[in-house]
Amino acid sequence: KQEVTQIPAALSVPEGENLVLNCSFTDSAIYNLQWFRQDPGKGLTSLLLIQSSQREQTSGRLNASLDKSSGRSTLYIAASQPGDSATYLCAPYTGFQKLVFGTGTRLLVSP
Amino acid sequence: GAVVSQHPSWVICKSGTSVKIECRSLDFQATTMFWYRQFPKQSLMLMATSNEGSKATYEQGVEKDKFLINHASLTLSTLTVTSAHPEDSSFYICSAPRTRRPEQFFGPGTRLTVL
Repeated sequence: KQEVTQIPAALSVPEGENLVLNCSFTDSAIYNLQWFRQDPGKGLTSLLLIQSSQREQTSGRLNASLDKSSGRSTLYIAASQPGDSATYLCAPYTGFQKLVFGTGTRLLVSP
Repeated sequence: GAVVSQHPSWVICKSGTSVKIECRSLDFQATTMFWYRQFPKQSLMLMATSNEGSKATYEQGVEKDKFLINHASLTLSTLTVTSAHPEDSSFYICSAPRTRRPEQFFGPGTRLTVL
């Protein structure tokens, strides 16, 4: 059974810092991996999708890497802003379109 | 813009009543949709896979008679929580894959509170 762990569970930083959020999964036989953000009481916003054949994806200040063999993915956030405050979820695809969600990292960026 | 919608966005009901939640793909057809549940301060857990024209597939530990899923058309899946109890209070989110797109698209979620 796939288990996904995200470290740290919570992170509080001042504005402007570069951040690293870590995701590890126990079964390396995954297809794609997707990163989401979730604001309190809200649904999910897709941030980045790394396809199985890729090792990283970039969108603006976000960069995500994927190392399937070691069961790890990392989300980098450059020059963090208060608007980045949210919970960040990592979710590898296991089987046909099935996602297994990580425990999440709660991020607070202070002005 | 949003490609998957859910209705209602929130609902409060009395214990013992049934509640129906709709999930719609807005501009694409989805033969498969997924239903997730999220309890406070926890991550999302897959409940079931909704298959158009056939029975849903439920994850281990999810009661199929309590959570009825109907995928009657290529753009609509419904989740009915039957005889709801306070422990069913949760955030329910649906998702759908889009043809020739590798990622999932999620609805905005439905907050269910059972009194």
